Amino acid sequence: GQSLEQPSEVTAVEGAIVQINCTYQTSGFYGLSWYQQHDGGAPTFLSYNGLDGLEETGRFSSFLSRSDSYGYLLLQELQMKDSASYFCAVRDGGGGSYIPTFGRGTSLIVHP
Amino acid sequence: ETGVTQTPRHLVMGMTNKKSLKCEQHLGHNAMYWYKQSAKKPLELMFVYSLEERVENNSVPSRFSPECPNSSHLFLHLHTLQPEDSALYLCASSQDLVQSKNIQYFGAGTRLSVL
Repeated sequence: GQSLEQPSEVTAVEGAIVQINCTYQTSGFYGLSWYQQHDGGAPTFLSYNGLDGLEETGRFSSFLSRSDSYGYLLLQELQMKDSASYFCAVRDGGGGSYIPTFGRGTSLIVHP
Repeated sequence: ETGVTQTPRHLVMGMTNKKSLKCEQHLGHNAMYWYKQSAKKPLELMFVYSLEERVENNSVPSRFSPECPNSSHLFLHLHTLQPEDSALYLCASSQDLVQSKNIQYFGAGTRLSVL
């Protein structure tokens, strides 16, 4: 089976930098993804890491260390609109299943 | 706008009712998914269809019945639900099941309340 752990809540102020961690346990590994979901909205894809290292997309970056079964999402220059839930998801490819499993989500609260 | 549309957005039903949730994707994708999202719980995968064939069914009670008439449409038929089935039901699509990224595009969901 698969399991993912991420903090339930993170708070920060506008303009700050925040890191949301995700640790996972899978039998195989086909990449770590991050999704953002605003209240009442649809989850939207943010970033994907298939190999170790950092992927940067504007103010958001995502990092992966396969040897540590660990990744994080880094949000820089925080804005109020970044207040949302952030989910990590992994695909383990075990048994021919390429379907992602999602974490419980981290609620990010950005204060003025 | 994600290219995935779900209707209705909100649904209130009694335990003896029968209703259906609809999902339509305009992205030309080959895979479609139903998820259940309850408060404080991970997204729970319910069903997966690839090229209109069901490829995953995660021990979902039979009171939930999916239907995929073509690659653009997905339904979830509901009957004799329980109050604990109240949740946000999300539909998603992806290009296919085998791409390494497997980016999922979600609809805004149907907020279901079972009385």
